[in-house]
Amino acid sequence: EVQLVESGGGLVQPGGSLRLSCAASGFTFSSYPMSWVRQAPGKGLEWVSVISGSGVTSHYADSVKGRFSISRDNSKNTLYLQMNSLRAEDTAVYYCAKDLLQNVDYIDGVLDYWGQGTLVTVSS
Amino acid sequence: DIQMTQSPSSLSASVGDRVTITCRASQGISNSLAWYQQKPGKAPKLLLYAASRLESGVPYRFSGSGSGTDYTLTITSLQPEDFATYYCQQYYSSPPSFTFGPGTKVDIK
Repeated sequence: EVQLVESGGGLVQPGGSLRLSCAASGFTFSSYPMSWVRQAPGKGLEWVSVISGSGVTSHYADSVKGRFSISRDNSKNTLYLQMNSLRAEDTAVYYCAKDLLQNVDYIDGVLDYWGQGTLVTVSS
Repeated sequence: DIQMTQSPSSLSASVGDRVTITCRASQGISNSLAWYQQKPGKAPKLLLYAASRLESGVPYRFSGSGSGTDYTLTITSLQPEDFATYYCQQYYSSPPSFTFGPGTKVDIK
């Protein structure tokens, strides 16, 4: 059974940093691209970032480019999101999600499994 | 960047109704469109991808169609468990930038 479990959320002051983790199990982690998607309270879904299965390629939404960094440790089956220079508008539930297609380097973008999310609150 | 719109933003329907939700992209996306269902406090669930391909385990009352810039999600015979918010998502962009629509909330009439 595929499982994705996010952790690392919490309250952080504006300008601060936080690192989110997503522990994966139930599939060959290194074979699938992984994404982070966020949802501000009461709002819709916003894609944040994606990384290829190999970890070589990554892409970001313009709203987080230069501040957030996605990475993965395939030996630990774990996905990360390093968030720096946090702003109030980054407040959201952050979900990690798995790509539907198994391909080490090609990123498809269809997200078939999602974690339960971790809440990040940026406030003074 | 490709922008996505959905209509309506919300609708009220009864059990057994046929429901149609429309999603429009700001440019052609060659059927690179997925639909997700989200219930309050829960993660989104993939329903369809490639505009019309049903994800494994999703009931056949869900279907998708469309081409170019315009796509639809149809639920035939709405069931109580279908009351939720529905999002479309394009995954056509290169380099990848996966835009979601603003969502359509389906609630009980």
